[in-house]
Amino acid sequence: AQSVTQLDSQVPVFEEAPVELRCNYSSSVSVYLFWYVQYPNQGLQLLLKYLSGSTLVKGINGFEAEFNKSQTSFHLRKPSVHISDTAEYFCAVSESVQGAQKLVFGQGTRLTINP
Amino acid sequence: EAGVAQSPRYKIIEKRQSVAFWCNPISGHATLYWYQQILGQGPKLLIQFQNNGVVDDSQLPKDRFSAERLKGVDSTLKIQPAKLEDSAVYLCASSQGLAVTDTQYFGPGTRLTVL
Repeated sequence: AQSVTQLDSQVPVFEEAPVELRCNYSSSVSVYLFWYVQYPNQGLQLLLKYLSGSTLVKGINGFEAEFNKSQTSFHLRKPSVHISDTAEYFCAVSESVQGAQKLVFGQGTRLTINP
Repeated sequence: EAGVAQSPRYKIIEKRQSVAFWCNPISGHATLYWYQQILGQGPKLLIQFQNNGVVDDSQLPKDRFSAERLKGVDSTLKIQPAKLEDSAVYLCASSQGLAVTDTQYFGPGTRLTVL
């Protein structure tokens, strides 16, 4: 079964500073990777996904992630964060079960932006 | 476009009581998911429907949890009887289909507290 490890449970940064949220996945022949964001008291929202093609994936709200097959990583980055980016971020991998795709989530990283 | 609707938003019950959650997916979405998100963890898939059929319920504790999607639209998730460890946020999500390219859209969740 696929698995995802998010290396940091909490990441505090100052406003306008760059941030990187780390994610490693278990190796597989085909891998599909996702980052979701969860704002307080809301459901999850897709930030970006890697299915194939370019290893640098751009998402919403200025976020991007790089798929690195040799390091089995899919780290999320933003060059300059805002207070509004305060949220929980989840990395997920998709695995196939009986022909259907199923998401397996990491434990989450809480991003806190300080003014 | 209306998003995924869930009710109630909050529920407090005592152990051994029963509880039911309701989900209305995005119109036209054939696939519906129920996730359990325990505090400090990522969402875990409980059950996945394609129209009114079950695709995957391998992680559903069937001795106490049940779910149905009788008309292939809205769905209910029931717990009977509840245990303390069932305290969590229950998230409903929907997608157009089962393919990895079909984005999952999440509802705001129902926060269950079992006393």
